[in-house]
Amino acid sequence: DAEITQSPRHKITETGRQVTLACHQTWNHNNMFWYRQDLGHGLRLIHYSYGVQDTNKGEVSDGYSVSRSNTEDLPLTLESAASSQTSVYFCASSESSMSGADTQYFGPGTRLTVL
Amino acid sequence: GQQLNQSPQSMFIQEGEDVSMNCTSSSIFNTWLWYKQDPGEGPVLLIALYKAGELTSNGRLTAQFGITRKDSFLNISASIPSDVGIYFCAGLGTSGTYKYIFGTGTRLKVLA
Repeated sequence: DAEITQSPRHKITETGRQVTLACHQTWNHNNMFWYRQDLGHGLRLIHYSYGVQDTNKGEVSDGYSVSRSNTEDLPLTLESAASSQTSVYFCASSESSMSGADTQYFGPGTRLTVL
Repeated sequence: GQQLNQSPQSMFIQEGEDVSMNCTSSSIFNTWLWYKQDPGEGPVLLIALYKAGELTSNGRLTAQFGITRKDSFLNISASIPSDVGIYFCAGLGTSGTYKYIFGTGTRLKVLA
C-alpha cells in the first residue's frame, strides 16, 4: 500500500547542531508539506513543495530549509537547532487534480527535542 | 497564521452518546477535510468534502460541507471509547494554492 513515512520518529539533539528529518511518500504526489505542532498553536506550515525543484516558505520557515530532488522525498533541515524548535514535526503530501479536489495525508510524525 | 474556529475545544461524553463539532471560517473554502489524531500519532483522514451542501458518511461518522462554504460539521453517532482523541478540521481556500488551514482541534473524551 502507498504510504508516507518519517524518520527518525524521535530525535534528541543539542543546540547549534544541524538536524535533518526525512519524509518519504510512495503515492507519487506532487505536493509535500512540513508542519510543526505545538500546544496552543496547532499545526503550522514550515515549508512546502509543489514538485521537483520547487520549494516555498510557510508561516514559520526561519531556521528551516527543504530541498526537493525527486517526487518521493522532502527532507527538512534545521540549520542550527535551537530550543525553540523542540516540537513534533509532521510531513504531509497531496495530489493536485484537474477537478481541484485535493486531499492531504500525514506521516506519523517526528518528535524532536533540542537540549 | 490563520486558523479556523473549531468548537467545542473539548468535550466529555458518555459511551453511546452522539457527538457534534463544527468549524467556521471567515473565508470561503473549496474543500473541507476532517482528521482524527491519537496521542503520539499523525492526523488520520476521516472524511473529505468537495462540494457545498455535500453530506458524506464514513461508518458512524458523518460530515457536511456548509452551504455558505464557510463552515463544516462532523457528527459521531453512538460513541465508543476508541473515539477518544483530537479531531481537526482543515479547509482549502479559493486562492489556487494547495495550502490547508487547520482548525484548533476538538479534544474528545469518552466515558465508559
